[in-house]
Amino acid sequence: DGGITQSPKYLFRKEGQNVTLSCEQNLNHDAMYWYRQDPGQGLRLIYYSQIVNDFQKGDIAEGYSVSREKKESFPLTVTSAQKNPTAFYLCASSRGTVNEQFFGPGTRLTVL
Amino acid sequence: GENVEQHPSTLSVQEGDSAVIKCTYSDSASNYFPWYKQELGKRPQLIIDIRSNVGEKKDQRIAVTLNKTAKHFSLHITETQPEDSAVYFCAAVGPSGTYKYIFGTGTRLKVLA
Repeated sequence: DGGITQSPKYLFRKEGQNVTLSCEQNLNHDAMYWYRQDPGQGLRLIYYSQIVNDFQKGDIAEGYSVSREKKESFPLTVTSAQKNPTAFYLCASSRGTVNEQFFGPGTRLTVL
Repeated sequence: GENVEQHPSTLSVQEGDSAVIKCTYSDSASNYFPWYKQELGKRPQLIIDIRSNVGEKKDQRIAVTLNKTAKHFSLHITETQPEDSAVYFCAAVGPSGTYKYIFGTGTRLKVLA
C-alpha cells in the first residue's frame, strides 16, 4: 500500500469554501491523475499531469484546479464553483506512457 | 469521444462457479487494457492487464482475453470465492503518449457462499 498517499482521509467543507486535497508519491512516476467517484459509480477523470509544470483537463474539470510544481506532488483544490463536490476522490500515478496506475487510499469529501 | 462500455453492471454467482465481465472500447488505437478490483471503501488495485499484441493472458484463477478486431476484451474468474466479491473496472489506454485511461462503469460481483 505504500508509495502514494492522500490526505486527509475525511474532509468536511462548508458551502462557499475552497479546500485542497493532498496527493504525494515516492514512486518516481512522471504521470499523476485525479479521479472522482460517486456512490455506485465509476471513475471520472478530473485532471492529469504528464510532467512537472504541465497538466490537462479531464472530463469533469469545472470547479477544480491543480498544480504540479514537484514531481512527487499533485494537489487538487475543490473550489466553491464546484456545485456538488461531495464524493470520494482518488489520486493515481503511473510510470511511462501505458502502464499500471497506482491509486492512493482516497479522500472522502463531504459538504455540510 | 472515447468510451468503454462494461457489462453486466451487477453479477451474482455461486461460490465455485465462473464469472465473466465484458468490455467494449471505441478507440481502435488503444493498446493497453488493465482490470482493477475495488473492495468497499478501498482503493482500486490492478489484478491483471493485457497489451494489444497478446490475445490472452492468465494468472491463476484470473484470465483476460482481447479481440482487437471486435474491440472487445473480457475478464474471466474461475472457481470464484467469497473474497472475489468486489467492484471490477476495465479500462482502455492509449494511444501511446496520451496517459489517459478510459474506465468502464464497473461491475459489482457478488459471490454467494
